[in-house]
Amino acid sequence: NAGVTQTPKFQVLKTGQSMTLQCAQDMNHEYMSWYRQDPGMGLRLIHYSVGAGITDQGEVPNGYNVSRSTTEDFPLRLLSAAPSQTSVYFCASSVDRGENIQYFGAGTRLSVL
Amino acid sequence: GNSVTQMEGPVTLSEEAFLTINCTYTATGYPSLFWYVQYPGEGLQLLLKATKADDKGSNKGFEATYRKETTSFHLEKGSVQVSDSAVYFCALRLKAAGNKLTFGGGTRVLVKP
Repeated sequence: NAGVTQTPKFQVLKTGQSMTLQCAQDMNHEYMSWYRQDPGMGLRLIHYSVGAGITDQGEVPNGYNVSRSTTEDFPLRLLSAAPSQTSVYFCASSVDRGENIQYFGAGTRLSVL
Repeated sequence: GNSVTQMEGPVTLSEEAFLTINCTYTATGYPSLFWYVQYPGEGLQLLLKATKADDKGSNKGFEATYRKETTSFHLEKGSVQVSDSAVYFCALRLKAAGNKLTFGGGTRVLVKP
């Protein structure tokens, strides 16, 4: 069972570079979300989507873009990377926005120099 | 706003020792409470949950009781194993906040043989 798959696992960028973090789920989940994890701060919500074609901002959206063209995929784009975006990024999905279990990917560790 | 505070760690224990990880929360309303676990190289997995006061969640020998009077949800296990080495996250979710998860900072636990 694949579940939630994130690629790449590790990435190093230079300031100003752009990149896309990929997230795919094979459970036909409507709700998908992106979090960042920083030491001592837990996971903070960046963006989320309640279904294909619908996205919304979370707690810390600045510097990130998302789109949801299919149910399966929810990529996170950094248009111009900054050192403050050095973090571990997690993608999650659940059946819907209601009281259902969220399933997490293994994370992408990003360093911006 | 809503927040979760948990002990920072790392917590280092010997096998068969008793484990407690403290978690307290601040929330406007009555949240559902969760413990997630992240094993090395993997994504977060739901460990246990409780949805109302005095509920006890349990799984894999771990327990946590929802204490409204102390706004706490401490995680306990009576006899840890090396395989319990992981990072543990406490989290809350409120319907009024769109069912978004709010996480604590995570506690790293290392169990030595």
